[in-house]
Formats: sequence, C-alpha cells, structure tokens
Amino acid sequence: AQTVTQSQPEMSVQEAETVTLSCTYDTSESDYYLFWYKQPPSRQMILVIRQEAYKQQNATENRFSVNFQKAAKSFSLKISDSQLGDAAMYFCAYRRRFNAGGTSYGKLTFGQGTILTVHP
Amino acid sequence: KAGVTQTPRYLIKTRGQQVTLSCSPISGHRSVSWYQQTPGQGLQFLFEYFSETQRNKGNFPGRFSGRQFSNSRSEMNVSTLELGDSALYLCASRSGTDNEQFFGPGTRLTVL
Repeated sequence: AQTVTQSQPEMSVQEAETVTLSCTYDTSESDYYLFWYKQPPSRQMILVIRQEAYKQQNATENRFSVNFQKAAKSFSLKISDSQLGDAAMYFCAYRRRFNAGGTSYGKLTFGQGTILTVHP
Repeated sequence: KAGVTQTPRYLIKTRGQQVTLSCSPISGHRSVSWYQQTPGQGLQFLFEYFSETQRNKGNFPGRFSGRQFSNSRSEMNVSTLELGDSALYLCASRSGTDNEQFFGPGTRLTVL
C-alpha cells in the first residue's frame, strides 16, 4: 500500500521569506502523480502544484516550486516570498496513474498535513 | 464554470440515524470521489465513481455506500451513524482522464 508522510506538523515563516515543507512517500509503482494541496480555514482544498513521476523536471507555479527526488521518494514544496494568504494546512498527496485494469485511477493518498503560519 | 457543490453544508444527526450527502461535480466531469477528514485519521478515501460505476473503494465498513447518477451527481449514504462518523466529508470531481481533482467545500457532519 502507498503511504505519504509529512514529518513537520507545524512550520512558520516570516512574510517575504522562503519556507520548505517536506514530504516522503512509499510506493512500488513507477507511474504516478504527486500533489500539494492547500486547505485554508474555509476548508476548501485547493491544488497548489502537481508533479508527474515520469517528468524529471521539477514543477513550478509562480512562487511555488517542488524538489522531486524520485529515487529517494521525496517531494518537498518551496514557497518563496511568503504572503499572509499562504497561511493554511498543506497536504502532500499521491495518486497512482492507472488501475490494475488500465483505467485512470482516482484515489488520492494524503499525508497528515503541515500547518503553515506566516508572520507579518 | 461552476465549481463542485455539496449539500448540505452542515448536518447534525444522532447515533443510529442515517444520512445522505450530495455532490454535484463540475459540468463535464464524470468522476466523483469522496473523502472523510477527521482530526485523528486525517483525509481518507471512501470511494470513486465513474460513469455510474464504483471504480475504487477505500477501507470503510459497509455502512458507507454511494452511488452516481446519469448526470454524474453523486450521493453518499451512511447508515446507523456512530459518534466516530463525525467528520468533514469532501467530494472531488475530475474529467476522468489524466486530470487533477477539484474539491467541493465539504459537508460537516456532527453525530450526537
């Protein structure tokens, strides 16, 4: 079974600084996706960034970037120029690409989350 | 395009009752997944429906069931509610191909 581990229950950062959230995962699959989701106090889950396992290049989305180390099964999120609106719970998630039958697979496996606090 | 909608947003039930939650996916999306979020267990996958068929199922007791209609709307039912069923229930939709899931705002269920 796949597992996702976020070892930092809480992190804090000063506004405009950079912070890195850690995530490790365990899988025997070779074809999968990794995601970072943000959940603010409103509880609305918002996709921050996505990485396909077959891509060696790290994904970036504006101030958000990842460090994807496939061999080490590590997937960290770097937030640059942190803003007050970045304060939220961040979840790392894994999804294998296909079912055993070859159809697209929908199950996300989440880590326990990291609460990010941004100080003004 | 309208986002994923879930109704009701809040529910209070008592032990032993049953409850039905509803999820309307983004127009054109054929896949709906359900997740349970609790402080102790985190986010756990319940099941996924695609074109009215259950495609994947998580490790939950048979009291948890779901279905999907021809318009892709999905319902989740929990029978014989227990205190531990109190949670935020999230649904997510995707188009069914290699696309990410979009989440609804959730239904907060409280079991007394």
